[in-house]
Amino acid sequence: DQQVKQNSPSLSVQEGRISILNCDYTNSMFDYFLWYKKYPAEGPTFLISISSIKDKNEDGRFTVFLNKSAKHLSLHIVPSQPGDSAVYFCAAKAVRGGSQGNLIFGKGTKLSVKP
Amino acid sequence: GAGVSQSPRYKVTKRGQDVALRCDPISGHVSLYWYRQALGQGPEFLTYFNYEAQQDKSGLPNDRFSAERPEGSISTLTIQRTEQRDSAMYRCASGESGGAYTGELFFGEGSRLTVL
Repeated sequence: DQQVKQNSPSLSVQEGRISILNCDYTNSMFDYFLWYKKYPAEGPTFLISISSIKDKNEDGRFTVFLNKSAKHLSLHIVPSQPGDSAVYFCAAKAVRGGSQGNLIFGKGTKLSVKP
Repeated sequence: GAGVSQSPRYKVTKRGQDVALRCDPISGHVSLYWYRQALGQGPEFLTYFNYEAQQDKSGLPNDRFSAERPEGSISTLTIQRTEQRDSAMYRCASGESGGAYTGELFFGEGSRLTVL
């Protein structure tokens, strides 16, 4: 049973527009969430994170929103650039309880930003 | 080294053989994780260490899989009697702290295992 779900395997966006990547989770113990970005033939690299005590975290063009009641988070990229084309993974962990180190990933969403 | 280093990058083996995959984390990093990633899937947690202690091995699929980190630095993931379904990319990641650490994990480029 998937604890972290990314239901859209792919997303195509025009350059300059907003990209919105969605992620849902089922484990109520999760209290820390991260987004990773992966280019072909490379390992995933950290992008942005959010703690459950916040509902928004912003870093430049990237903003992550967390809706705890809906167990949903989203990554917004604005404006989108062709270099943002990559696979984006949502990940979650339970920092304050459970298996503290266990970082669970979703299946990823492949973003294509067209010039 | 500057990043997480994994070897071999590619391994092709015959069914039934044992394989050992090595991970050299970023120097000084406390936590070390092993993940398996099938094509088109996200990284699947296998196990992780804080220093030399294996904290969680709940993700290891069966007893053919084992991992160790005897000196709290380099780790080896061993798969005994490999089967075709073991074919995947095996990724290692390290983090500055352990357990309740909320910082990022740094991933290596992975070891692609193909079992014929």
